[in-house]
Amino acid sequence: GQQLNQSPQSMFIQEGEDVSMNCTSSSIFNTWLWYKQEPGEGPVLLIALYKAGELTSNGRLTAQFGITRKDSFLNISASIPSDVGIYFCAGLSSGGGADGLTFGKGTHLIIQP
Amino acid sequence: DAGVIQSPRHEVTEMGQEVTLRCKPISGHDYLFWYRQTMMRGLELLIYFNNNVPIDDSGMPEDRFSAKMPNASFSTLKIQPSEPRDSAVYFCASTAGWGYTFGSGTRLTVV
Repeated sequence: GQQLNQSPQSMFIQEGEDVSMNCTSSSIFNTWLWYKQEPGEGPVLLIALYKAGELTSNGRLTAQFGITRKDSFLNISASIPSDVGIYFCAGLSSGGGADGLTFGKGTHLIIQP
Repeated sequence: DAGVIQSPRHEVTEMGQEVTLRCKPISGHDYLFWYRQTMMRGLELLIYFNNNVPIDDSGMPEDRFSAKMPNASFSTLKIQPSEPRDSAVYFCASTAGWGYTFGSGTRLTVV
């Protein structure tokens, strides 16, 4: 099946630093999604990308859909303690909601005050 | 909007027992997904429904797992008999298109 390679697996950073993580795949995806999961909760959608080359921001978060449609990155600027969690990339290969998402293994973000 | 509601939040059961997990999707969402999350394998799609009809169950690990969606507002995932390796967090998600919304999950422990 399809696989997403997400890196880094974990990040230990200081509060205020910028964060960058990415996902790559050998398969083409038509939609890239970035989720955040906090302990005891389900993943929550942060950003959705629908077009190759698209760059989208949501507050301090910025994500891009790679032009090859095989990769995406997520940046977090000026990290704060509440950014702690696991960040997942997810890809959708079909043209609509008619398929399940393929998830990366996640990036654990730990912020030291 | 109450979101996707799953129950129970936690389940501890003995090996061999039947386990039933429940999900209420967001009203109006016509797709429902069941995922399993473990440290080793991450988030895995088990099965999904469209308009209450199972579309793809290729992710269901074995015949011990079954899922139903008798109506648009309710789905169950059943494991019978349960085994320790089934211990995981099981998530239900629903969507009407692109924005998948997840429930808070059921943490299953089989001892």
